[in-house]
Parts: sequence; C-alpha cells; structure tokens
Amino acid sequence: QKEVEQDPGPLSVPEGAIVSLNCTYSNSAFQYFMWYRQYSRKGPELLMYTYSSGNKEDGRFTAQVDKSSKYISLFIRDSQPSDSATYLCASWAGNKLTFGGGTRVLVKP
Amino acid sequence: SAVISQKPSRDICQRGTSLTIQCQVDSQVTMMFWYRQQPGQSLTLIATANQGSEATYESGFVIDKFPISRPNLTFSTLTVSNMSPEDSSIYLCSGSSGTNEQFFGPGTRLTVL
Repeated sequence: QKEVEQDPGPLSVPEGAIVSLNCTYSNSAFQYFMWYRQYSRKGPELLMYTYSSGNKEDGRFTAQVDKSSKYISLFIRDSQPSDSATYLCASWAGNKLTFGGGTRVLVKP
Repeated sequence: SAVISQKPSRDICQRGTSLTIQCQVDSQVTMMFWYRQQPGQSLTLIATANQGSEATYESGFVIDKFPISRPNLTFSTLTVSNMSPEDSSIYLCSGSSGTNEQFFGPGTRLTVL
C-alpha cells in the first residue's frame, strides 16, 4: 500500500464547475499537507500548504484536512480551462515529502 | 517563494555516459532535494542534498549511480552515471527554506539512447 493514495483520473468537468480532488494517507507521522499543480512539461507549483485539520482558503482554492480519517481534499471553485493540469497531493514527515500519484484534471470550455 | 532554475532543460545522451544536472536557487534554502519523475507518473525522491556533507539517499538509489554535490546554500548538482535507457526520465530539483514548503525547478528531461 502506498503511503499517499490518489485517484489518477482523468477528471473532466465543464468550465465553471467545482473540481473536487481527494487523497488518503496511511502514515500518522505526516504533519504537513500540500497540493501542487503541474502543467505538462513543467515543474510542480505549490498551491496550498496546511498543517492542522480544517479548511484553508486561497482565492478559488480550498484545502481541507481531516487527520482523524487521514483524508485531504482540494476544491477548485469556478474552474477555468487554465486549471487543466495534474494535481499532486503531498505529505511531509521525517524531513521529506511523500507524493500521491497525481490526478489529471481537464476543464472543458 | 524561491525561484529555482535547472540546466540543462533537456538532453539526449548515449548509453554508458554520464550527465551532470545543475540546480540554482535565487535565495538561500535550508534543504535541497532531487526527484525523478517518469512520464505520467508521480515524483520519487532520490536524495536530500546536504551542504558540505554526503547526500542522504532513499532506498533504491546509491551514490555511485547518482552522485550529488551541494557546495553552498543555493547550488546543487546531480550526476546520472553510466546511463542506460532505464534512466530516461525527468529529474527535478527542489528547495525548502525550513517551513516545509518545497519549491521545484522546471525539471531536466533526459533521454538515454
């Protein structure tokens, strides 16, 4: 079992819809949680960074962490075609990041 | 956030040769890392580059194959030695300034023939 599991998708939504992305993790030592966006042929770009359980909002993006169920989510409101990318969740413990497999998202105009 | 650049951006190499990838950060960072990403796959950590000492390698990666240098707080190199086609991948450098937020370079796309 991978330490961080993520549905690979692809997830296809119409423009303006809410994109809902999820990850589960198994390692209780994970303390920090990140979401990265990666466009094709580019390096990952840090979107959100959270520590505690609960919600964190940044513009159209909301990250949610539930440490009791080891579940992390990312919601993208009013999705745009420019949001089409691969989204990677990651968890930090022991001085290193562990990544999920990534979910490919396609927002159709 | 730190801005990270890598050189070369891509290369095509012959089997048995070595390639050194450079990573430059625009500000001092506490930690630097090297990852590998196979096409369509997620990131796998190769090693943590430690300033002034030997890198810390993850299981499955060894210093003889992936020697790493980090002479200061803004620069690191990764060498892929004695390459085979299985080493064809994207190699990514990242840096962290101690807040656990990691920023990534654009990657080096390596093809080994």
